[in-house]
Amino acid sequence: QVHLVQSGAEVKKPGASVMLSCKASGYTLTYYYMHWVRQAPGQGLEWMGIINPSDGSTHYTQRFQGRVTLTRDTSTSTVYMELSSLRSEDTAVYYCARGSGNSLSGYWGQGTLVTVSS
Amino acid sequence: QSALTQPRSVSGSPGQSVTISCTGTSSDVGGYNYVSWYQQDPGKAPKLMIYDVNKRPSGVPDRFSGSKSGNTASLTISGLQAEDEADYYCCSYAGSYTVVFGGGTKLTVL
Repeated sequence: QVHLVQSGAEVKKPGASVMLSCKASGYTLTYYYMHWVRQAPGQGLEWMGIINPSDGSTHYTQRFQGRVTLTRDTSTSTVYMELSSLRSEDTAVYYCARGSGNSLSGYWGQGTLVTVSS
Repeated sequence: QSALTQPRSVSGSPGQSVTISCTGTSSDVGGYNYVSWYQQDPGKAPKLMIYDVNKRPSGVPDRFSGSKSGNTASLTISGLQAEDEADYYCCSYAGSYTVVFGGGTKLTVL
């Protein structure tokens, strides 16, 4: 069965960068796009971007352009999300979610809490 | 792109029906039949309830249904149960590989 397992919680200082991982199992990584979504404490879901693991092409929402980078390692079936120039407003749970056509599927990672604090 | 508009909260008594709306534009909800709905319990990852406007993944009760008219999509839950109390988010494809979520609706079962 499909599983997306994300890396553990992170605590970072403002201005730093964070790289999160999302390891896929139960299917071939390159067959489906992967989305990243975040949720600040008490807030709603916010779509960040998408990567095509087959060729590494990416698309980001304008709000995160220049600060977020999605990459993948097909040898380990892992997708990575790097967010730079962190600020306190980036404190959130970050999710990876497998794509399905032009939507997100029902397969989501467990989420990774990133806390940005001085 | 701007978030889709959902009511902040809705409520209903057990056995009743409730409908949650999700309003976008012709660039997202109105332009594609790729609206999905997620249910989220506190501290948990979202659970897919409806995809492609009105399709239910296996295991989702048929009490949950989706529809769309113009730029507004709707999730209807009939025969409300206590376990349906959660946050609900709509999600739409918005072209050029991008996706947009609604702000979320808190459903309270009275």
